[in-house]
Amino acid sequence: DAKTTQPPSMDCAEGRAANLPCNHSTISGNEYVYWYRQIHSQGPQYIIHGLKNNETNEMASLIITEDRKSSTLILPHATLRDTAVYYCIVRSRFNDYKLSFGAGTTVTVRA
Amino acid sequence: DGGITQSPKYLFRKEGQNVTLSCEQNLNHDAMYWYRQDPGQGLRLIYYSQIVNDFQKGDIAEGYSVSREKKESFPLTVTSAQKNPTAFYLCASNSGKQETQYFGPGTRLLVL
Repeated sequence: DAKTTQPPSMDCAEGRAANLPCNHSTISGNEYVYWYRQIHSQGPQYIIHGLKNNETNEMASLIITEDRKSSTLILPHATLRDTAVYYCIVRSRFNDYKLSFGAGTTVTVRA
Repeated sequence: DGGITQSPKYLFRKEGQNVTLSCEQNLNHDAMYWYRQDPGQGLRLIYYSQIVNDFQKGDIAEGYSVSREKKESFPLTVTSAQKNPTAFYLCASNSGKQETQYFGPGTRLLVL
């Protein structure tokens, strides 16, 4: 699987948008970008995924650059409950059995 | 509610003892997974099963065993051969190849 690079931490003000970057410069054409988050001492929670088009759901938006070498997860209106570690994962369409979690980005939402 | 349940939330193991962690899902998912997470680190795959009565080793299977006798259940046994078992254990499932994995709440195992 391709590796991803994320900043180790970032702060965000409550009510503002949080933009979480991820670099995946070696991604191949058959690999998706997935985002999960993990609130302290809980299981990871699926947020969103995409292949090449931008995606939006009730939790977040995913913006993937045209060359697919980077992406941004957008939490439109961050709340204190969004404080968590956010993981960007690249996953093959054909090799499903494993998700490779790195260290992620620790996001702290401040009042 | 549909979902993945893990029990217990906390588990204590004595030296030389085997312990079994439970994972149950009512999502009708074919595939189930066990991951281990150490403090400040990402998840590492222990075992996975894509169908009943079949399972494969992940990256760190030594000292662990699993069974998959029923579609909804995938228990993990941490044996005495696992010398450093203290960790957070997470179970996940998905409906098949290429589908999103969903996680349970986790079991924290501590060695006395």
